[in-house]
Order: sequence, then structure tokens, then C-alpha cells
Amino acid sequence: GAVVSQHPSWVICKSGTSVKIECRSLDFQATTMFWYRQFPKQSLMLMATSNEGSKATYEQGVEKDKFLINHASLTLSTLTVTSAHPEDSSFYICSASQDSYGELFFGSGTQLSVL
Amino acid sequence: EDQVTQSPEALRLQEGESSSLNCSYTVSGLRGLFWYRQDPGKGPEFLFTLYSAGEEKEKERLKATLTKKESFLHITAPKPEDSATYLCAVSSGTYKYIFGTGTRLKVLA
Repeated sequence: GAVVSQHPSWVICKSGTSVKIECRSLDFQATTMFWYRQFPKQSLMLMATSNEGSKATYEQGVEKDKFLINHASLTLSTLTVTSAHPEDSSFYICSASQDSYGELFFGSGTQLSVL
Repeated sequence: EDQVTQSPEALRLQEGESSSLNCSYTVSGLRGLFWYRQDPGKGPEFLFTLYSAGEEKEKERLKATLTKKESFLHITAPKPEDSATYLCAVSSGTYKYIFGTGTRLKVLA
């Protein structure tokens, strides 16, 4: 199956700092990638859809200036949490698809803890 | 409105006790239905894709089936290592994916 790599797996940072999370499709090209947030014992919450070479599409209620998404190539999308605060602490997961409606393949997730 | 509902929310089974997880969906123009397994602190792991009613897929102790309104994930003679959260999702249209809230499965030795 297709492989999506996500780094780092976990990060601890101080309040006010910025954190970058990388998501790479290792063996396929992903025109579109997705970023999710997940709280304990809850399902995935879509944050934004990342399109290669264009601006990301954010879901309602997600601050685009807080969560900066860049999809610079067909295999790499990054999520930057700017000026992180404790309420941004969460599990962030990326995913990608080989086509526009087929199965999504997920990264291993990033646990962010903001002190 | 497109919707995916999974039941039960949580399920405890004894090792070897077979059961089924349900995923009911309401979507305009189903493109595909997907099952995932998610372990704590990990991203979802892809299990199956089903595209049309009547389709079935199998992998080890798991079997997924699809009708026009729902999908079942049958678990035969489960083992403790099958304990996880199982997620169902559907795609409709281009890059539109809807996830259910999952079933937390616990298999006791």
C-alpha cells in the first residue's frame, strides 16, 4: 500500500513558539493532502485540504493564520502551528490519496504538547 | 446531508467471540466506502475499500461487506491484538470524505 510519512511523531514546545509538521507521500504523488486534528477518544476533525501549488482550503472555524499550510510539491505538505498556545495541544494527522475519491493513506500522526 | 454513523460506539468481546461492526451511510453519489483501523497514538491504517453493493473483501479475521445503505465489518474469532478503534469513511464527489466516529473494540484474553 501507499506510504505517507509524518514528522515529528511528537513535539513539546513553549507557548508562543511555532511548530512545523511535515507530511510526505513516499511512493506516490499526492495532488491533494488533508490535515486532521483528533482529540482523545474522538474521531478525526478535518482542518484543511491542501492543494499542490495553491492555497489551502480551511474548514469553518479553523484559523488560517494560526494553522499555516504549504503544499510546495506533489509529495510534501507542511502544517505550521504559529504562536502555539496550550489549547493547540492535540494529535495532528495528515493524509493523502492517489486519486480524487479513492482511499486515503494516513501519516502516523504528531502529538503536540504546548506548555 | 451526507452522514456516516457507526455502531456500536464501543464493543467488548471475549477472545474467539465473533461479532460485527456497523457503518450506516447517507451520501449522494457514493464513490467508495473505506474501513480503517486506528491504534492509540497512531494514524489510521487502511484496511478495505468497497465500491458497490454486494462487494466483499477479506483480510485475515476481518471481512467487510457493503449494501446500498450500510457496511459491516465482521470479525471472526478475534484475538486481543485486534483491539483498536475501527473507522468507516465514505467518499462522494471529488476529494470529499466523511468519517464516522468509530467503534472502539476491546478483545479480552
